[in-house]
Order: sequence, then C-alpha cells, then structure tokens
Amino acid sequence: KQEVTQIPAALSVPEGENLVLNCSFTDSAIYNLQWFRQDPGKGLTSLLLIQSSQREQTSGRLNASLDKSSGRSTLYIAASQPGDSATYLCSSTNAGKSTFGDGTTLTVKP
Amino acid sequence: DAGVIQSPRHEVTEMGQEVTLRCKPISGHNSLFWYRQTMMRGLELLIYFNNNVPIDDSGMPEDRFSAKMPNASFSTLKIQPSEPRDSAVYFCASSFYLATEQFFGPGTRLTVL
Repeated sequence: KQEVTQIPAALSVPEGENLVLNCSFTDSAIYNLQWFRQDPGKGLTSLLLIQSSQREQTSGRLNASLDKSSGRSTLYIAASQPGDSATYLCSSTNAGKSTFGDGTTLTVKP
Repeated sequence: DAGVIQSPRHEVTEMGQEVTLRCKPISGHNSLFWYRQTMMRGLELLIYFNNNVPIDDSGMPEDRFSAKMPNASFSTLKIQPSEPRDSAVYFCASSFYLATEQFFGPGTRLTVL
C-alpha cells in the first residue's frame, strides 16, 4: 500500500524567502505525482503534475521535481508572498488510485 | 468552464437519515473520483469511475456508502443510514483519463448530528 509523507507539517517564513516543501512515497511505481494547494475551507487547486517519465515541471514561481528512485518530490517556491499562505498537498497516483500526504501548512509573514 | 460542480455545499442531518451528495464533472472528462477529508484521516479516496464504470471501490468504508454514475455528466454518493462519524468534507474530482491531472470541486461539508 502506497504511503505518502510530507515534511514539515507546518512552515513559517518571512516574505521574499525561497522555500522547499518535501514529499516522499514508499512505492516508486507511480504514474504521476501532483501538487495541490488548499486554502482554509476550500477545495484543492492543482498546481503542478509531473508524469513518471519527467524530472520536473515549472509554473511561474513554482518548480516541482521528481526522483522516483528515491521516492521523493520537492516543491520549490521562489520569492514567497503572503498570498502563498495555504496548505500544500502532494499526491501520488498508482494504477489509477491516488494517495495523498497530510500536507504542509505554509505561512508567509509580511 | 465551470469546473467540477458539487451540491449541496453544506448538509446537516440527523443520525439515521439518508444523505445524497451530487457531482457534475468537467465536460469531456472520463474519470471521476470521490474523496473524503477529515482532520484525523486526511484525504482518502473512496471510489473512482472510468467511462461511468466503477473501477475501484475499496476505499468505501462500509456498505452504508454507495456511489453511482448513470451518465458522463453526473454522479452521486449516498450514505444510508448516516452516522455522526460520517461527518467530513466530501470532494469530487475529475480528469480526462485515469492518471492525468485531477481537478477538484469545492466539496460538500457534511455534519451528521
């Protein structure tokens, strides 16, 4: 059974700092890995999807990497802003089933 | 595109009552997923469909839970009878195909008293 772990559970940084969120998974036979953002009381917003054959994806200030052999993915946020404050979840998909981590709650202080 | 649509957004009911949650996926998407999110257990996959056919329902917690997808534009998740421990936020998501990018609806917050 796939297990997805996100460390740290919470992170607080000053505005403008670059930061990295970590995601690890136990079964490397994944189809893809997806990063989401969830604001309090809201649904999940897709940020980036990395297919198993890819090493990274970029969107604006966000860059996600994938290392299947080590079972790890990272989400890099450049020049963080208070509007980036949210919970970030990663999800790995194996044979159609998606398993989510518990998320990292990010607070960016002005 | 309106995105994934879920109704109702909030539901408060009493233990023992039947609850039906509804979902309209993004037009053209072939796969649909039902999730449940709680503080204790995080986000859990309950069941998913591909081309309106249930593929894996191993995440459905009990026989009290059932899901249907009668056509490509509509799905329901039913709980009968409901119990207080069913209180959670239930999300529906859709994607073009299995293992492609998933898009989530706003969720239904269910409270069973």
